[in-house]
Amino acid sequence: DSGVTQTPKHLITATGQRVTLRCSPRSGDLSVYWYQQSLDQGLQFLIHYYNGEERAKGNILERFSAQQFPDLHSELNLSSLELGDSALYFCASSADAYSNQPQHFGDGTRLSIL
Amino acid sequence: ILNVEQSPQSLHVQEGDSTNFTCSFPSSNFYALHWYRWETAKSPEALFVMTLNGDEKKKGQISATLNTKEGYSYLYIKGSQPEDSATYLCAFNAGGTSYGKLTFGQGTILTVHP
Repeated sequence: DSGVTQTPKHLITATGQRVTLRCSPRSGDLSVYWYQQSLDQGLQFLIHYYNGEERAKGNILERFSAQQFPDLHSELNLSSLELGDSALYFCASSADAYSNQPQHFGDGTRLSIL
Repeated sequence: ILNVEQSPQSLHVQEGDSTNFTCSFPSSNFYALHWYRWETAKSPEALFVMTLNGDEKKKGQISATLNTKEGYSYLYIKGSQPEDSATYLCAFNAGGTSYGKLTFGQGTILTVHP
């Protein structure tokens, strides 16, 4: 158990809809990262938050947004969903803002768009 | 665009064999190199974070080396066991404004046959 909690585990919805994925980091960790794993793709970095502030952005679509709240949990919002957004979305956390610390991954949310 | 390459793509070995695989990354702007182990139906688990050229890390029968000047890292498994079967991922960080952003390779899928 990594200590990172993601909800829900599975989500099935239709094209055009909007969903929110939630992540609670390990106790004491200030950084939260979001990754997407699509079919035949490796883990793709989406966005990094540290203590409530956005620190780095990857190839995140404009239809996607994220935030980190004062209690350090984070939400990833996906809107105007398309079939290609079907993927496994991981959240990870680490102690600080820099990558000399390991990242601890949650179990992921599997999103299926019908 | 950062390119992180892992080879081989997959590997089948017999129980007791020792094995190794490679991660290649850009040799400029290096900050950190991570190794993760990802078992089927689980989440990626951190093995090592390496930051110094010439670094060697060890965890049980698994070890890793780092050459930042030529841009590669090796992961070694001595005396593989069936429970070592997993996908092994490396991830690179360029530091600076990348903060905790990791660029992952596609992984090496290791299968250890009893």
